[in-house]
Amino acid sequence: AQSVTQLGSHVSVSEGALVLLRCNYSSSVPPYLFWYVQYPNQGLQLLLKYTSAATLVKGINGFEAEFKKSETSFHLTKPSAHMSDAAEYFCAVSSSMRTGNQFYFGTGTSLTVIP
Amino acid sequence: EPEVTQTPSHQVTQMGQEVILRCVPISNHLYFYWYRQILGQKVEFLVSFYNNEISEKSEIFDDQFSVERPDGSNFTLKIRSTKLEDSAMYFCASRGGGTYNSPLHFGNGTRLTVT
Repeated sequence: AQSVTQLGSHVSVSEGALVLLRCNYSSSVPPYLFWYVQYPNQGLQLLLKYTSAATLVKGINGFEAEFKKSETSFHLTKPSAHMSDAAEYFCAVSSSMRTGNQFYFGTGTSLTVIP
Repeated sequence: EPEVTQTPSHQVTQMGQEVILRCVPISNHLYFYWYRQILGQKVEFLVSFYNNEISEKSEIFDDQFSVERPDGSNFTLKIRSTKLEDSAMYFCASRGGGTYNSPLHFGNGTRLTVT
């Protein structure tokens, strides 16, 4: 079975500081991993995805994530936070079930950026 | 870029009434999903749909819920007799076929308020 765990339901950083949002996965098969962002009153937007082509994945808005198999992690980072980065972030793992093709989401991390 | 569209954006209904939430997935996608998000909580999987049938459903998706793809474009979620606890944001998503690393594309959601 696949699952993801996001450590820290709330993260606050100062504008210009490093953003680090943590995600650990559990999967019995090679996982496909994703980060989504949700701005207030909006749907989920894909930030980036891991497809096994490269362990360091670059996404939109300056975000990137590194797949570390030894640590079963897929943490999301951004070198310098902007005020506009304030949002809810969800890590997800894709299940290659026979028919379900289901996504499993983490509980989300709310990012606050302090001016 | 093609997108998933959901209507209405906000639906208010009385307890016990039936509601139908509508979605138009991306046209060449093969997998369709409904998720819900109760205010302040995580995104929860409801159901996945492929090849004109339900491929997986969660415990939340009880006999009060049903899904349908009545034509080649719409994908609907029906709640037969709404309860107060059905109040949530409901997200439709679709996904292309072929590979398990294809991401979900989400609509902007329908906010359902049951009074």
